[in-house]
Amino acid sequence: NAGVMQNPRHLVRRRGQEARLRCSPMKGHSHVYWYRQLPEEGLKFMVYLQKENIIDESGMPKERFSAEFPKEGPSILRIQQVVRGDSAAYFCASSPGPTSARLFSSYNEQFFGPGTRLTVL
Amino acid sequence: DQQVKQNSPSLSVQEGRISILNCDYTNSMFDYFLWYKKYPAEGPTFLISISSIKDKNEDGRFTVFLNKSAKHLSLHIVPSQPGDSAVYFCAAQIYGGATNKLIFGTGTLLAVQP
Repeated sequence: NAGVMQNPRHLVRRRGQEARLRCSPMKGHSHVYWYRQLPEEGLKFMVYLQKENIIDESGMPKERFSAEFPKEGPSILRIQQVVRGDSAAYFCASSPGPTSARLFSSYNEQFFGPGTRLTVL
Repeated sequence: DQQVKQNSPSLSVQEGRISILNCDYTNSMFDYFLWYKKYPAEGPTFLISISSIKDKNEDGRFTVFLNKSAKHLSLHIVPSQPGDSAVYFCAAQIYGGATNKLIFGTGTLLAVQP
């Protein structure tokens, strides 16, 4: 399966613990995005990364949240000292990135993983 | 500030009829729009997209219409099938900008009745 992989699919943490969510993009994709879906809401952008670079973190909460996409290995979304309000579905998406070769091509579409459902007790 | 709005939380349609899902946006900088379909406990699946240089894009049973002056787009599904029952999200993007982030609407739950 060459799709976006996320693990774990379900994660339960107690308040104050750390949560680590992993995302492996589709083969050939170098751009990774994290989105969060709170109950009864749409998906909200959190952060956009390329290999070893954070491009846009405008949607990340100022404290406790961090993300990385190292040269080797999956992208990691890390939540320190989790609180009940962090309970949500966290989705990772990947894309090959925009290309200047074709205007408005399909290359900028983002393909989503199955999500990690975080429950904070 | 909800820049992408889907004002109908739910829609029920008879099998074989047309489903029309609507989406409005406020940011005139958006120039690329996408529709995603989502089943419970799964990630969103890309359906169809349209750029601002077009007013219509068609793919099989799915057609997206864009009215830039009204800042409105719609997804038409015809004929509707029970397997189309899912939540549909509209998303917008500023293509080629500094960020590729998608701004999502809140979704419309489509129920196709057999």
